[in-house]
Amino acid sequence: LAKTTQPISMDSYEGQEVNITCSHNNIATNDYITWYQQFPSQGPRFIIQGYKTKVTNEVASLFIPADRKSSTLSLPRVSLSDTAVYYCLVGEGNYQLIWGAGTKLIIKP
Amino acid sequence: DTAVSQTPKYLVTQMGNDKSIKCEQNLGHDTMYWYKQDSKKFLKIMFSYNNKELIINETVPNRFSPKSPDKAHLNLHINSLELGDSAVYFCASSQALAGGHIINEQFFGPGTRLTVL
Repeated sequence: LAKTTQPISMDSYEGQEVNITCSHNNIATNDYITWYQQFPSQGPRFIIQGYKTKVTNEVASLFIPADRKSSTLSLPRVSLSDTAVYYCLVGEGNYQLIWGAGTKLIIKP
Repeated sequence: DTAVSQTPKYLVTQMGNDKSIKCEQNLGHDTMYWYKQDSKKFLKIMFSYNNKELIINETVPNRFSPKSPDKAHLNLHINSLELGDSAVYFCASSQALAGGHIINEQFFGPGTRLTVL
């Protein structure tokens, strides 16, 4: 089975760009990479999803290299409200869902 | 309107009791999930149903039994509760799985915090 690995925690400051990387060896050919955000006492919420290269939406960008063995979630100009836990999720074949352990991101003033 | 709802929000009970958590989604999704999140924030999928059919059944004690009366509901029944069952349980839903590869956004409920004394 694939395993996802992400940093346990990260700190940054308001206005900075934050990059969180997830490694996912053995990702299957047709699987997508998804990132979720979780605030305390809430369920995770979808941020962005991609298959390869770069995907951008109104809140984040997702960079995936050609070998797809890792992915980087990029949050531009973070604010205090971006303090949360961020999870990467890889959909492996045969209905396997491989979640990372989560990265606790703390944004400081 | 709440997209994915769970009841109860909090559940405190004694070891050995049997309890149920209910989940309902009004998104018209075909697939529903149960997750367990422990105190270290690890998210572990437990079960998934697609159109009332069990499609993911991870290694969980058989004291846990999901039941899907229709595709909008997925309930979780837990028998003989143990201390280690204390966690937050999340229900989620998504569009139907496509070809066995997970590509659909999951919508999570607010969670049920279960405390076993």
